[in-house]
Amino acid sequence: EAQVTQNPRYLITVTGKKLTVTCSQNMNHEYMSWYRQDPGLGLRQIYYSMNVEVTDKGDVPEGYKVSRKEKRNFPLILESPSPNQTSLYFCASSLSPGRHNQPQHFGDGTRLSIL
Amino acid sequence: AQKITQTQPGMFVQEKEAVTLDCTYDTSDPSYGLFWYKQPSSGEMIFLIYQGSYDQQNATEGRYSLNFQKARKSANLVISASQLGDSAMYFCAMREGQGGSEKLVFGKGTKLTVNP
Repeated sequence: EAQVTQNPRYLITVTGKKLTVTCSQNMNHEYMSWYRQDPGLGLRQIYYSMNVEVTDKGDVPEGYKVSRKEKRNFPLILESPSPNQTSLYFCASSLSPGRHNQPQHFGDGTRLSIL
Repeated sequence: AQKITQTQPGMFVQEKEAVTLDCTYDTSDPSYGLFWYKQPSSGEMIFLIYQGSYDQQNATEGRYSLNFQKARKSANLVISASQLGDSAMYFCAMREGQGGSEKLVFGKGTKLTVNP
């Protein structure tokens, strides 16, 4: 089944403890992206990747890191999480950059709580 | 300025009736795509329908159709024959131009409640 898989789905942790949210897609998509969703603010892009070893900042990149060493994986790293990073996070992928008719397929989301 | 505006924070509809969810957008790029996503209470984002800026006809996908009025910059989602399972948040999103960040810009969403 074609899908975007995020792990964990839920995480409660404490300020300053490094964490990684994994994202994997099995559709051979070139483009991958991370969004966060907050009440009243909608979804905002954190980072994106057009292909392997190519990543760039979105609208709200502060406090986050990403890497794209393989086409299928795009982990989101919080080196020193803070409470303002408590949010619902989504990973998404699409087939080809440069073709805006390609829908982005979303993972099921990761709900992070930073205490 | 907001690029995607959804003016209806909440909408109610009776089961089996049709409902229109509004979306207006702002762009100066002649090439763009418009998407609608559904987010049920379980949280996942489900792609519903796509409309390209150069498409001559309104998009349709089953019970979903998109009322695309390019001059007015609106892309309203029409759900026909509403079902209880349609109760969810609905987001309109836009992707501009060719290449670039590929970013989807989302509206703030409309919460649809289908009443039995």
